[in-house]
Amino acid sequence: AQTVTQSQPEMSVQEAETVTLSCTYDTSESNYYLFWYKQPPSRQMILVIRQEAYKQQNATENRFSVNFQKAAKSFSLKISDSQLGDTAMYFCAFNTGANSKLTFGKGITLSVRP
Amino acid sequence: EAGVVQSPRYKIIEKKQPVAFWCNPISGHNTLYWYRQNLGQGPELLIRYENEEAVDDSQLPKDRFSAERLKGVDSTLKIQPAELGDSAVYLCASSPASGSWHNEQFFGPGTRLTVL
Repeated sequence: AQTVTQSQPEMSVQEAETVTLSCTYDTSESNYYLFWYKQPPSRQMILVIRQEAYKQQNATENRFSVNFQKAAKSFSLKISDSQLGDTAMYFCAFNTGANSKLTFGKGITLSVRP
Repeated sequence: EAGVVQSPRYKIIEKKQPVAFWCNPISGHNTLYWYRQNLGQGPELLIRYENEEAVDDSQLPKDRFSAERLKGVDSTLKIQPAELGDSAVYLCASSPASGSWHNEQFFGPGTRLTVL
């Protein structure tokens, strides 16, 4: 079975500080893509960052970066210089391509304090 | 460029009533997905379309749920009859091309269904 585990239900961070959101996954596939999606209170889900399993280099998008540990099946998201607009639910997900289905974790609620 | 459009945004119905949700994907996106998101959970796929063909409906409760995408563009998801456990947010998403499973999926704002 393909699963995604986000064990931290909630996190809080002070504005301008750095926070790391954890994610582990399980799949028997060798090639897959990993994603972090953000869902603000308005509910529209948007892509934050994407990582291909075959690439060793960790993906970076401005203030967002990942720590991808393939052997450990770990895919954490680091947000630097946190901003109030980063307040949202964050979902870790992956897609193996076998059926093009995104498998999501339960999400983590991130609150950025002013 | 317009995003994925869904309507209605909110729907409240009595149990055993029918309900329908509509989705218009981003222009040119061949692949369309319907997800259900229960409170405090991540989305779960109900059905995936490649153009007008439903290529994965294994998670769709077919006794009461149905979906269509007749012309390969917009899509409708229907529940008949609704049950209390169907209360959730129903999300529609689209992506650019068939088979491009690594592509980003673009999500609509969702329809929040409350069944009383």
